[in-house]
Amino acid sequence: GQNIDQPTEMTATEGAIVQINCTYQTSGFNGLFWYQQHAGEAPTFLSYNVLDGLEEKGRFSSFLSRSKGYSYLLLKELQMKDSASYLCAVIGGDYKLSFGAGTTVTVRA
Amino acid sequence: IAGITQAPTSQILAAGRRMTLRCTQDMRHNAMYWYRQDLGLGLRLIHYSNTAGTTGKGEVPDGYSVSRANTDDFPLTLASAVPSQTSVYFCASSENRGHATGELFFGEGSRLTVL
Repeated sequence: GQNIDQPTEMTATEGAIVQINCTYQTSGFNGLFWYQQHAGEAPTFLSYNVLDGLEEKGRFSSFLSRSKGYSYLLLKELQMKDSASYLCAVIGGDYKLSFGAGTTVTVRA
Repeated sequence: IAGITQAPTSQILAAGRRMTLRCTQDMRHNAMYWYRQDLGLGLRLIHYSNTAGTTGKGEVPDGYSVSRANTDDFPLTLASAVPSQTSVYFCASSENRGHATGELFFGEGSRLTVL
């Protein structure tokens, strides 16, 4: 089975930076996704990492270390609209996608 | 706008009743999935289909069935609903077979309450 851990909640100030960590223990590894989900809405794709290193996409960056079973999502220049849940999801050796419980980020003025 | 359409968006159902959640996509994606989302547990895969005519069991398949008669439609049926099936259900699709190579596109969700 898969075990994916991420913090339940985080709070940050508008304009600041927040880092959401995700650790995983899986039987094999074939990639890691980050999704954003606003309250009452569907999840939407943010990033995909399969190799070690940092992937930057505008204000959002995602990092992966396969040897440590670790990823983080970095949100820079926080805006009020970034208040949402952020879901870490891992593709295991069986090519099944498993989601963490999600991290709710609250951005305050 | 192209994408995934789910129906109904919300439903209250008596325990023991049969219910089908509908899902239609117009992106011609090969793979489709049904997830349930519960507070504190995240998204859990119920059933999936890698291509029309095939289906597979996910993490929590008991009490649910699916069919994939064509590329576009992937209905989820609760044969006899129970209160533990109260949840938000998301249908999703991906261009490629299986999860490995494609991001998921989600429908807007169906909120089901079983009393």
